[in-house]
Amino acid sequence: EVQLVESGGGLVQPGGSLRLSCTASGFTVSNSYINWVRQAPGKGLEWVSVIYSGGTTDSADSVKGRFTISRDNSKNTVYLQMNSLRADDTAVYYCARDGRSGYVPYYYYYMDVWGKGTTVTVSS
Amino acid sequence: DIQMTQSPSSLSAFVGDRVTITCRASQNISNYLNWYQQKPGKAPKLLIYAASTLQTGVPSRFSGSGSGTDFTLTISSLQPEDFATYYCQQSYSTPPLYTFGQGTKLEIK
Repeated sequence: EVQLVESGGGLVQPGGSLRLSCTASGFTVSNSYINWVRQAPGKGLEWVSVIYSGGTTDSADSVKGRFTISRDNSKNTVYLQMNSLRADDTAVYYCARDGRSGYVPYYYYYMDVWGKGTTVTVSS
Repeated sequence: DIQMTQSPSSLSAFVGDRVTITCRASQNISNYLNWYQQKPGKAPKLLIYAASTLQTGVPSRFSGSGSGTDFTLTISSLQPEDFATYYCQQSYSTPPLYTFGQGTKLEIK
């Protein structure tokens, strides 16, 4: 079964750090694009960061310079290292795999597999 | 950055109603538009990609249309399990740098 499982959430003080993990089964993360998406309490979805199959990464402006996405192919796991955390980083963090349809150069991308999420609370 | 605006923000309807949710992009995104359904406490679920292609396993009462900047999600006959929040998402760039609409909460009347 194809699935993603997040872990590592918790309560952290402002200015602190946390590392989230996203472990895949049923497919290989090194062959996939894996995203982190977050949802603040009562709010909508916000894309946070992505790691591409080639290993390059990108992040939303709201987290650039503070959050780093990486992966360990041997563990089939993607990480989100979150530093300098702020109250507005409080959210449920989901990891999601990109699916793809179409043909070069007209690929359609979408998030077809999601984890259940892990909760991060930044508070003193 | 491409901004996505959904309307309405919330909607009340009866079981059996036909419902339409709209999504507008701040620039032409062709048909690089996805729709998701999210129920309380759950992860989002992909419904439609490429504006009108139904994801495997999604009931045929869901349909999507549109191109350019204006898109719609239609549920032809609402079922009790359809009451949820719906999000549009653009995937225009390659590789995609996604943005979501703010969501439309569909409630039972």
